[in-house]
Amino acid sequence: NAGVMQNPRHLVRRRGQEARLRCSPVKGHSHVYWYRQLPEEGLKFMVYLQKENIIDESGMPKERFSAEFPKEGPSILRIQQVVRGDSAAYFCASSPLIPGDSPLHFGNGTRLTVT
Amino acid sequence: QQQVKQSPQSLIVQKGGISIINCAYENTAFDYFPWYQQFPGKGPALLIAIRPDVSEKKEGRFTISFNKSAKQFSLHIMDSQPGDSATYFCAASSYNQGGKLIFGQGTELSVKP
Repeated sequence: NAGVMQNPRHLVRRRGQEARLRCSPVKGHSHVYWYRQLPEEGLKFMVYLQKENIIDESGMPKERFSAEFPKEGPSILRIQQVVRGDSAAYFCASSPLIPGDSPLHFGNGTRLTVT
Repeated sequence: QQQVKQSPQSLIVQKGGISIINCAYENTAFDYFPWYQQFPGKGPALLIAIRPDVSEKKEGRFTISFNKSAKQFSLHIMDSQPGDSATYFCAASSYNQGGKLIFGQGTELSVKP
């Protein structure tokens, strides 16, 4: 049973470049969540998606950030024109149902470094 | 109102001792309270969870105590072991508000041999 798979594990980008983070949820899970973790801080909710739909993007910065979860393929978190403040660990999590009805399974994250 | 406040930020406990981490929340709509454990370089993993209709839940050495009136809940780790050294996060969510988990700031636990 494969868990949540995130790639790449580490990503280095120069300021102004684009970062694409991929997340393959547990097979059969249709709920995907993205969280950002800054050093010495907790996990901050970014966006909640179900297949082809954004359900809640209240934690996403209004500019440069976007997320999708297509009918086929992984969920993608895209950061355009990255800045140093985007350096963080980005975690994806999935569940078959809304959390509370089933546990949230996290991947091991993508660590983004902006130079 | 969406915040979950966690304390202490760090905790050092001797092997065999009891580790206690506390969390407080404001949103009375929260109805699911999990605790997650995170090791360096890894993603958080669910440890134990509770709903507000019970005041305590125990799984092995881990116990959640829940005080609905005070809007507080805590994690107790009995007989703490060096292998328990990790960062612990409390969280809360509301089913009617989409179920997204709101996390506390985390507690870095170190268990000394």
